[in-house]
Amino acid sequence: EAQVTQNPRYLITVTGKKLTVTCSQNMNHEYMSWYRQDPGLGLRQIYYSMNVEVTDKGDVPEGYKVSRKEKRNFPLILESPSPNQTSLYFCASSLSGVRTEAFFGQGTRLTVV
Amino acid sequence: GESVGLHLPTLSVQEGDNSIINCAYSNSASDYFIWYKQESGKGPQFIIDIRSNMDKRQGQRVTVLLNKTVKHLSLQIAATQPGDSAVYFCAEGGGGKLIFGQGTELSVKP
Repeated sequence: EAQVTQNPRYLITVTGKKLTVTCSQNMNHEYMSWYRQDPGLGLRQIYYSMNVEVTDKGDVPEGYKVSRKEKRNFPLILESPSPNQTSLYFCASSLSGVRTEAFFGQGTRLTVV
Repeated sequence: GESVGLHLPTLSVQEGDNSIINCAYSNSASDYFIWYKQESGKGPQFIIDIRSNMDKRQGQRVTVLLNKTVKHLSLQIAATQPGDSAVYFCAEGGGGKLIFGQGTELSVKP
């Protein structure tokens, strides 16, 4: 089954403790992206990757890192999480850039206390 | 800055009626527009897209209209069904970035 898989689905952590949210897709898509979703603000793009070893900042990259060492994986790293990073996170992939249909993961609900 | 506690615009329609959801976009350079549907507890799901060289595109029960002059996008859903109840987002794309609108909550009354 074609899908985007995020792990974990739920995570509660403490301020300052490094964490990684994994994202994997099995559709051989070139483009992958991370978003955060907050009440009343819609989805905001954090980082995106047009292809392996190519990453760029979205609209809200502060406090996040990403890497794209292989095509299928695009982990989101929070080196020192803070409470304002409490949010619902989505990973998405598409065949080639934003002009092709994006497939979203099921989301990761992160709480930083 | 962030606005906390905003309520989503809500559209309530009777089952079987047509729904129209509107969206204003911000970037004149955007050349690709998409509508997504998000059901509770799930990730967004692609509905329909349109490129900037088009004014209208139709899918199954859905139509997207693009007015570049006023930077306005609309999604029309024909014969709305209870399963259409969800939050609908428009998004504009260009380069590698995708910018989402705030979203509209569609509620379908049986």
